[in-house]
Amino acid sequence: SYALTQPPSVSVSPGQTATITCSGDKLGDRFVSWYQQNPGQSPLMVISQDTKRPSGIPERFSGSNSGNTATLTISGTQAMDEADYYCQTWDSNTGVFGTGTKVTVL
Amino acid sequence: QVQLVESGGGVVQPGKSLRLSCAASEFTFSVYTMHWVRQAPGKGLEWVTLISSDGSKKYYDDSVKGRFTISRDNSKDTLYLHMNNMRTQDTGVYYCAREDLAAVGRAFDYWGQGTLVAVSS
Repeated sequence: SYALTQPPSVSVSPGQTATITCSGDKLGDRFVSWYQQNPGQSPLMVISQDTKRPSGIPERFSGSNSGNTATLTISGTQAMDEADYYCQTWDSNTGVFGTGTKVTVL
Repeated sequence: QVQLVESGGGVVQPGKSLRLSCAASEFTFSVYTMHWVRQAPGKGLEWVTLISSDGSKKYYDDSVKGRFTISRDNSKDTLYLHMNNMRTQDTGVYYCAREDLAAVGRAFDYWGQGTLVAVSS
């Protein structure tokens, strides 16, 4: 079955750039979404269709997808961005989530 | 404001059944594909199943195929998940999620608050 791999954790200083990768076989041929989840809360979509930012999501969140890797970038990271992040794609009509990355803002 | 409110969670013994509901409001439920996504305690998100807007198409993760059934009642704006022959591995928070109509390639634009299911003897 199709699998998506993310680094378990990413640390970033306030104001710096956080880069979260999501790897899968020929992932660039698929659309990827990204979700932010704070402890005890429901997930929130921050990127869809590889690069699209939903209304209300800050401009510091951006996405890309090429080859075998999709990337979520948080520019000028703020303390409020500390959360778990999941990439997600589709294998035929089956949903696949990445393993998740905990972003820590030090 | 779009609302999705799950209910029906609780403690159930292995091998037993449970039905979850997700009440939708403030949007035209009948035009949206809907999903269930679950999360085991301390673990990541896991997609479970989807149902098309008219209920004609249903897809399942292999881990629940043959045991879980998704359904919907568009006259009641409600999504359901019927879970049979439950296993301890089915323990977790179950979220219903709406599929973004505007997205090319499926994405979940709204999520419920989740309902906790615990399978234990």
